Amino acid sequence: AQRVTQPEKLLSVFKGAPVELKCNYSYSGSPELFWYVQYSRQRLQLLLRHISRESIKGFTADLNKGETSFHLKKPFAQEEDSAMYYCALSAGGTSYGKLTFGQGTILTVHP
Amino acid sequence: NAGVTQTPKFQVLKTGQSMTLQCAQDMNHEYMSWYRQDPGMGLRLIHYSVGAGITDQGEVPNGYNVSRSTTEDFPLRLLSAAPSQTSVYFCASRGTSLNTEAFFGQGTRLTVV
Repeated sequence: AQRVTQPEKLLSVFKGAPVELKCNYSYSGSPELFWYVQYSRQRLQLLLRHISRESIKGFTADLNKGETSFHLKKPFAQEEDSAMYYCALSAGGTSYGKLTFGQGTILTVHP
Repeated sequence: NAGVTQTPKFQVLKTGQSMTLQCAQDMNHEYMSWYRQDPGMGLRLIHYSVGAGITDQGEVPNGYNVSRSTTEDFPLRLLSAAPSQTSVYFCASRGTSLNTEAFFGQGTRLTVV
């Protein structure tokens, strides 16, 4: 069975500081990894997926298969980045539509 | 384009009552799923469907039923509500094409008293 771990429940930084949200996973196959963001009481929105290797809102994430990690990074945090962030994994195959989520990290960016 | 629509947005139930949370998507997605979101636990999968007529249990299925009679709709039924089912419920859908993302509804905040 797959598992996703986000070790930090809360993360606080000041505006302009770098931020890194950690995500580790366990899965024996080749997973799809995602980062979803949830702004206050809104629906979850896709932020990044490892396949696309793109930068969204200044965030990047690299899949490290050796360390089984998919950490989310941004060099200069903004106040509007304050939100709940979830790392998620899809096992593919018949489980393609299922997502396994981490516990989530609440990011607060102070002015 | 509505995407994934959930109703109601808020609901208060008494212990023992039953209700159905509605979920509809207009993207012709094969995969649909229900999650519950609880503090410190992330989102946990309740039930899952790979297409009309096909459903499967997720991580926390007890106390919930689902059916998938059409591609568009995937209702979640609470048979006899309990305080432990107080949560925020999200419905999601995903297409079968590679590199697609899962789309989420706006959530239903349920309180069982």
